[in-house]
Amino acid sequence: GDSVTQMEGPVTLSEEAFLTINCTYTATGYPSLFWYVQYPGEGLQLLLKATKADDKGSNKGFEATYRKETTSFHLEKGSVQVSDSAVYFCALKNTGFQKLVFGTGTRLLVSP
Amino acid sequence: NAGVTQTPKFQVLKTGQSMTLQCAQDMNHNSMYWYRQDPGMGLRLIYYSASEGTTDKGEVPNGYNVSRLNKREFSLRLESAAPSQTSVYFCASSSGQGEGEAFFGQGTRLTVV
Repeated sequence: GDSVTQMEGPVTLSEEAFLTINCTYTATGYPSLFWYVQYPGEGLQLLLKATKADDKGSNKGFEATYRKETTSFHLEKGSVQVSDSAVYFCALKNTGFQKLVFGTGTRLLVSP
Repeated sequence: NAGVTQTPKFQVLKTGQSMTLQCAQDMNHNSMYWYRQDPGMGLRLIYYSASEGTTDKGEVPNGYNVSRLNKREFSLRLESAAPSQTSVYFCASSSGQGEGEAFFGQGTRLTVV
């Protein structure tokens, strides 16, 4: 079945550091890919998405590129802030299916 | 801008008790979902409803039942709670079409003692 693998956390960075959170997927067909973010005590909210190969999703300084050849959708940000501290989830949704499949989440901790 | 509303936010149950988690969305979405979130496990799908009148099992349906009461509401019932059901439960909805994003409620933190 479809699955998503994320790097283990926590990822601990200083403010203004470069962020990469790795995400790879296994799926039949042509899934859409998502990054969701969960701030403490809250539900998940969509950060960015990409619906086809080579698409780049971006939002709030975060970017991720849909790489079909490596089945990856790594999340990057050039300069993180303390307010970016949260748990980040990679997810996929396959064509014709209603279900979102999530990775295990990666906690990001940014210190001043 | 209510979005997806879950009740209650917190609940403590004794083993064997029953309860229903309520979820309502006001976005006219077709699809609704129940997930549980456990440390190191990410979000796992319990049940989902692709449209009003239909429900399907997800990855971890045992011990749960659901009801899609109407297009707005999707409830999750624990008939006989067990400590293994201690978790944070999230309801979500989406248009169900194409790559429509899912919108999540704030979650219900359930502890079974």
